[in-house]
Amino acid sequence: AQRVTQPEKLLSVFKGAPVELKCNYSYSGSPELFWYVQYSRQRLQLLLRHISRESIKGFTADLNKGETSFHLKKPFAQEEDSAMYYCALTMGNFNKFYFGSGTKLNVKP
Amino acid sequence: EPEVTQTPSHQVTQMGQEVILRCVPISNHLYFYWYRQILGQKVEFLVSFYNNEISEKSEIFDDQFSVERPDGSNFTLKIRSTKLEDSAMYFCASGRQGSGNTIYFGEGSWLTVV
Repeated sequence: AQRVTQPEKLLSVFKGAPVELKCNYSYSGSPELFWYVQYSRQRLQLLLRHISRESIKGFTADLNKGETSFHLKKPFAQEEDSAMYYCALTMGNFNKFYFGSGTKLNVKP
Repeated sequence: EPEVTQTPSHQVTQMGQEVILRCVPISNHLYFYWYRQILGQKVEFLVSFYNNEISEKSEIFDDQFSVERPDGSNFTLKIRSTKLEDSAMYFCASGRQGSGNTIYFGEGSWLTVV
């Protein structure tokens, strides 16, 4: 069965420190991986998708098929990065998304 | 930038009552979804809708649930007889071809069943 695992419920870092939010997945085919972010009391917003290989707000994520991971990284965290981050997987063709349980990132001043 | 909008933002209802949650997807989107998130738990898929019919539904989406696209803009989720365990945040989402399978979420409707 498809599964997305985010092992950390809470990650606290100081401003300016590097941050890595872990995401592992289990799927036998070729999934599409996404990161969504949810700022306090706001909607889930698309942050990154692996197919576009872009950097948004300084965040990057590389799909590692060998390790079945899609970790989200940022070299220098900012206080405004504090939010819930969800890793998600879909099989494409607008099939349903499978979400991880989310990691709350807290960037301290 | 167009957004998915949902109403109500919060509804409190008594157990056994019917609830309708409303969504206005982004106007040129053709794929519609409902997800829910029980407090402290994962975002879970409920149902997907395309071409005026359900394309997939989860085991959560039982006979108490139904979806409808009554006109060209709204997409509704109806819960016929609410149970306490239906208390959750319900997210509507939509997507379109050419957006790389990306779906866009509304702000959610928080349902509390008492």
